[in-house]
Amino acid sequence: NAGVMQNPRHLVRRRGQEARLRCSPMKGHSHVYWYRQLPEEGLKFMVYLQKENIIDESGMPKERFSAEFPKEGPSILRIQQVVRGDSAAYFCASSPLAGVGNEQFFGPGTRLTVL
Amino acid sequence: TQLLEQSPQFLSIQEGENLTVYCNSSSVFSSLQWYRQEPGEGPVLLVTVVTGGEVKKLKRLTFQFGDARKDSSLHITAAQPGDTGLYLCADSFQGAQKLVFGQGTRLTINP
Repeated sequence: NAGVMQNPRHLVRRRGQEARLRCSPMKGHSHVYWYRQLPEEGLKFMVYLQKENIIDESGMPKERFSAEFPKEGPSILRIQQVVRGDSAAYFCASSPLAGVGNEQFFGPGTRLTVL
Repeated sequence: TQLLEQSPQFLSIQEGENLTVYCNSSSVFSSLQWYRQEPGEGPVLLVTVVTGGEVKKLKRLTFQFGDARKDSSLHITAAQPGDTGLYLCADSFQGAQKLVFGQGTRLTINP
């Protein structure tokens, strides 16, 4: 029973390039969440998606960032024209249900370094 | 905006000692979760508490939820090097799907 999978685990980009991060939720989970973690900090919510729908993107910067969770395939977090401040660990989580007390299971993260 | 404050921010103790770390919220928790994160990995869920006054045990870990549901503590008995990691508390903010995290307590257990 595979857990949440993320790839790549490490990604290096130069300023101005695009970063594409992938997340495959646990089997049977239809809710996906993306979080960002800066060094020595806790995780900050970015976006919550269900299949083919963005439910809550209140934590995602309005520019350069986008997310999708297509009917088939993994969820994608896309960062266009990356800047040094985008360097962080990006975590995806999934859950089978919604509601209070919903338990989210996290992937191992993608560590993005912008040179 | 809900704020979660964790204390202490850093804690380094010897193997075999006991310790307690804390999580306090600026507002009532919807449902409190404790996670442990090891370097280079994602957070792993330890426990979820919902009811005020609730106490849950997970081997040598004891989680306590305050009666007013605005604070929580995690107590570790006879700490072992394998307990080393970043301990994070989180809440489902206002019942929404997103989790709000504290900044974490970085725990180091020295052999």
